[in-house]
Amino acid sequence: ETGVTQTPRHLVMGMTNKKSLKCEQHLGHNAMYWYKQSAKKPLELMFVYSLEERVENNSVPSRFSPECPNSSHLFLHLHTLQPEDSALYLCASSQYRGSNTEAFFGQGTRLTVV
Amino acid sequence: DAKTTQPTSMDCAEGRAANLPCNHSTISGNEYVYWYRQIHSQGPQYIIHGLKNNETNEMASLIITEDRKSSTLILPHATLRDTAVYYCIVSVNFGNEKLTFGTGTRLTIIP
Repeated sequence: ETGVTQTPRHLVMGMTNKKSLKCEQHLGHNAMYWYKQSAKKPLELMFVYSLEERVENNSVPSRFSPECPNSSHLFLHLHTLQPEDSALYLCASSQYRGSNTEAFFGQGTRLTVV
Repeated sequence: DAKTTQPTSMDCAEGRAANLPCNHSTISGNEYVYWYRQIHSQGPQYIIHGLKNNETNEMASLIITEDRKSSTLILPHATLRDTAVYYCIVSVNFGNEKLTFGTGTRLTIIP
């Protein structure tokens, strides 16, 4: 248990569906992250939120829409995804740009787009 | 962030110490060395990090060379549950959005 909880753990969705991934942290961190991990590829940073404001968007397609309503919660809204979007989606949290900090990851959501 | 180089894979006998090397020859003076591991299909797990001095916690030890151009993660008594991909990352802090994970070292613990 890392203090970062992601739901659901597994999700199968059609290309026309709309779904949301949820992440929650109780570590008192002020930054949250979404990463994507496709099969046999390194983790790719998608979004960074600090103090509930987005500070980084690594050229992610608009069919992925993040939302950070407060410092403890992070969502990733999904719509009209493609099969190549099937991957493990990971949430992490940390203190943003604080020195000597580390991040903690959730267990991820395994997404399959059919 | 400085780039790191790690062996693609390593084996270690159960009960022995696993020593995982990492080269980071372009590390800057204010960059930390972080180690994470990822067990199959789970989220990465934080292991340890350090700046200059050697560090030890309940999971592992981190040995950083004096010139800081390389480091070694030591798992003192490897168990089968330590089989995972181990990532060495160099960054000022994790809150740096430019921090990237490489391909890591796939460590297999042999019974």
